[in-house]
Amino acid sequence: SQTIHQWPATLVQPVGSPLSLECTVEGTSNPNLYWYRQAAGRGLQLLFYSVGIGQISSEVPQNLSASRPQDRQFILSSKKLLLSDSGFYLCAWSSGGWVYGYTFGSGTRLTVV
Amino acid sequence: AQTVTQSQPEMSVQEAETVTLSCTYDTSENNYYLFWYKQPPSRQMILVIRQEAYKQQNATENRFSVNFQKAAKSFSLKISDSQLGDTAMYFCAFEGYGGSQGNLIFGKGTKLSVKP
Repeated sequence: SQTIHQWPATLVQPVGSPLSLECTVEGTSNPNLYWYRQAAGRGLQLLFYSVGIGQISSEVPQNLSASRPQDRQFILSSKKLLLSDSGFYLCAWSSGGWVYGYTFGSGTRLTVV
Repeated sequence: AQTVTQSQPEMSVQEAETVTLSCTYDTSENNYYLFWYKQPPSRQMILVIRQEAYKQQNATENRFSVNFQKAAKSFSLKISDSQLGDTAMYFCAFEGYGGSQGNLIFGKGTKLSVKP
């Protein structure tokens, strides 16, 4: 069966420090991968999605970037964190969008201090 | 731009009773998909139910059913025989057929508490 792993679960980082959040999927090949952010009291907002290795699409301009170095690995990064980057970050995967559904990871709570 | 509105920030229901969560949306598209997601205290997003706009029949998944009114742009979730494990944040979400992949537009959520 397919599983999605996301870590770390919780992270506290100072302003100006770099960020690297990792997401991996097991049990499937060539998944579509997504990074979402959930600000306090809000629903999720799509940040990036990828349909293949090295292919990244950004939905919202921001201080973050994403990379997909391997088929089932998706990384969210920042060179210098801002206070406004605090939030709950969720990774998700899909075999092909709506038809197959989206499966979310357990999320990372990022607090920038 | 598409928007999703959940007008009930919080709701509560007694165990075993029925509760309905409201969701309205705004779009100019004719083909789209609608979802209800559940986010328990563990924070993981779990798909509850989904509906394709071109299907008139309301989706049903066990104790969960929707009332989809396309003309009114309304997509409410009914939970029957509520259980303590249903306590969670519930998010209504929209995905346009022709939009970017995975670009789910979420409402702000309804916090549901099931009381024993």
